[in-house]
Amino acid sequence: QVRLAESGGGVVRPGRSLRLACVASGFSYRDFDVHWVRQAPGKGLEWVVVISADGRNQYYGVAVKGRFIISRDTPKNTVYLQMAGVTPEDTAVYYCAKNRDYLDVWGQGTTVTVSS
Amino acid sequence: QSLLTQPPSVSAAPGQRVTISCSGSSSNIGRNYVSWYQQLPGTAPKLVIYDNFQRPSGIPDRFSASKSGTSATLAITGLQTGDEADYYCATWESNLNVHVFGPGTRLTVL
Repeated sequence: QVRLAESGGGVVRPGRSLRLACVASGFSYRDFDVHWVRQAPGKGLEWVVVISADGRNQYYGVAVKGRFIISRDTPKNTVYLQMAGVTPEDTAVYYCAKNRDYLDVWGQGTTVTVSS
Repeated sequence: QSLLTQPPSVSAAPGQRVTISCSGSSSNIGRNYVSWYQQLPGTAPKLVIYDNFQRPSGIPDRFSASKSGTSATLAITGLQTGDEADYYCATWESNLNVHVFGPGTRLTVL
């Protein structure tokens, strides 16, 4: 069964860092792009970043470019989202999802709250 | 401000048909595939349409979609109360190299 599971969310103070993880089961990250998508409380979906199947290309949304970094550990079948310099506007549920032109498998999400 | 435009809300009675529009531009919908997602309250989004009009396995044929030029449309027929959800269109924006979601449309089944 193809599954994605996020972890690493929590409460973090403004300006600090946090690392989220997305573990895949039932497929290999070598075969698919992986995206992070977030949803602020009561708001719509906002695309954050994607890493290509071969790991060579990463594209970032305007709101996070220069602050967030996506990476992956292929043997562990895990993709990470390193968040730095967080602000209250980064408060959201963060989902990881796979594929390229469309996102066919989503995790359940992990909640990040930025608050002092 | 999203690069894609959707109506904030639509509504229809059970059994009826509803459409949700998604308008973009030549650099996004005009040259890339459109996908549609259903998000039930408190749950993760679910893919209901990919590659403009394809249905994933398990999605009933009550859900259909089309694309023309820089706009796309999702249609749901035989509405059920279980279809009440937020619906998002999405595509790639080629000028910025980003994936973009529409602002979402809340479907209410009266």
